Amino acid sequence: DADVTQTPRNRITKTGKRIMLECSQTKGHDRMYWYRQDPGLGLRLIYYSFDVKDINKGEISDGYSVSRQAQAKFSLSLESAIPNQTALYFCATSGRGQGSNYGYTFGSGTRLTVV
Amino acid sequence: GIQVEQSPPDLILQEGANSTLRCNFSDSVNNLQWFHQNPWGQLINLFYIPSGTKQNGRLSATTVATERYSLLYISSSQTTDSGVYFCAVGGNGGSQGNLIFGKGTKLSVKP
Repeated sequence: DADVTQTPRNRITKTGKRIMLECSQTKGHDRMYWYRQDPGLGLRLIYYSFDVKDINKGEISDGYSVSRQAQAKFSLSLESAIPNQTALYFCATSGRGQGSNYGYTFGSGTRLTVV
Repeated sequence: GIQVEQSPPDLILQEGANSTLRCNFSDSVNNLQWFHQNPWGQLINLFYIPSGTKQNGRLSATTVATERYSLLYISSSQTTDSGVYFCAVGGNGGSQGNLIFGKGTKLSVKP
């Protein structure tokens, strides 16, 4: 099994619908992140969580919400999807402490299309 | 916030050639990572390198934190090296874990 698992892999949804993207990890990491990738724009941070009780907004949080259900699970919700939220969404984890523990591990991504 | 600029934006190489990718950042950092996104979209962590030099096979990276840049070297490139290379940095303080990504360098290696 992958260290970081995202579901679904692909999703097409209609404008105005609520949708949840799920992420689970087996790395034992405290820190989890949601990023969005748009062509030519790199990855932009939506939300991050340094532990179960610590959730913070990133650069582009408007229109999104998150839930950290457990250390291993971090879900992203679009309460009312709109077409400009069409993008590739990535979940990532990292450890704490020194050195390479900070190295990110990414999931395989969720390709979301809002029509 | 910290700005991250990568160059060149696009690079085409013949198989076997060497290349250098550059990442400039606008403020002091204590977290810098390089990633490779393959043509299928998978993001792979290549290096955690806030300072100094590291090597992994044909890839190596050097970060000169005092001058705010990092370089990724690819030697004897192979077609499997194709994809987009991202540099990402994190600042000081409690947000150290958060990474700000550059827009990437798209590498195409031709057989």
